[in-house]
Amino acid sequence: NAGVTQTPKFRVLKTGQSMTLLCAQDMNHEYMYWYRQDPGMGLRLIHYSVGEGTTAKGEVPDGYNVSRLKKQNFLLGLESAAPSQTSVYFCASTPTGNYGYTFGSGTRLTVV
Amino acid sequence: KQEVTQIPAALSVPEGENLVLNCSFTDSAIYNLQWFRQDPGKGLTSLLLIQSSQREQTSGRLNASLDKSSGRSTLYIAASQPGDSATYLCAGRRTTDSWGKLQFGAGTQVVVTP
Repeated sequence: NAGVTQTPKFRVLKTGQSMTLLCAQDMNHEYMYWYRQDPGMGLRLIHYSVGEGTTAKGEVPDGYNVSRLKKQNFLLGLESAAPSQTSVYFCASTPTGNYGYTFGSGTRLTVV
Repeated sequence: KQEVTQIPAALSVPEGENLVLNCSFTDSAIYNLQWFRQDPGKGLTSLLLIQSSQREQTSGRLNASLDKSSGRSTLYIAASQPGDSATYLCAGRRTTDSWGKLQFGAGTQVVVTP
């Protein structure tokens, strides 16, 4: 049981480049989330999804887009990367009901 | 919006001492509260989940309590070990949130010295 898998684990981008972060879960969870973690800021919610084909904005959505075409996958896109998007990105999932989260191991992104 | 605060931000204790980590939240309409551990450069590992109807949860040397009326949760780690060194985060989910979104505290960084 792999849980939540994030790819890639590390990436360096130049300003203006685009990329997609992939999150895959094998637990048949309905809800999936993308967070970013910055020193002194804690984890902040970027976007989330409550089911296949549905997405919604979180606390800090600007500069990001998401898609959930398949239940097990949640993609986070950066169309034109900026240095302010340098961060560690975490994906998480949870089933419906009163259950805890499962997190991926994170993607460390540096934008130069 | 649920505000979650963790005090202290950092804590250093000698091995064997009990650890007490505090988490406070502003909205008493809390659905559940979860404690996580994060090692440097790693992801978050779930430690304990407390439902709103529960007052505490225990797992091995870990015990977490929840007091909704005072807006507090406390994580106790008995007989600390150097391997307990990590950052501990608490996160709350509001009753009014249908989509399971969590509000995280900034964490308490713990160092257990041999």
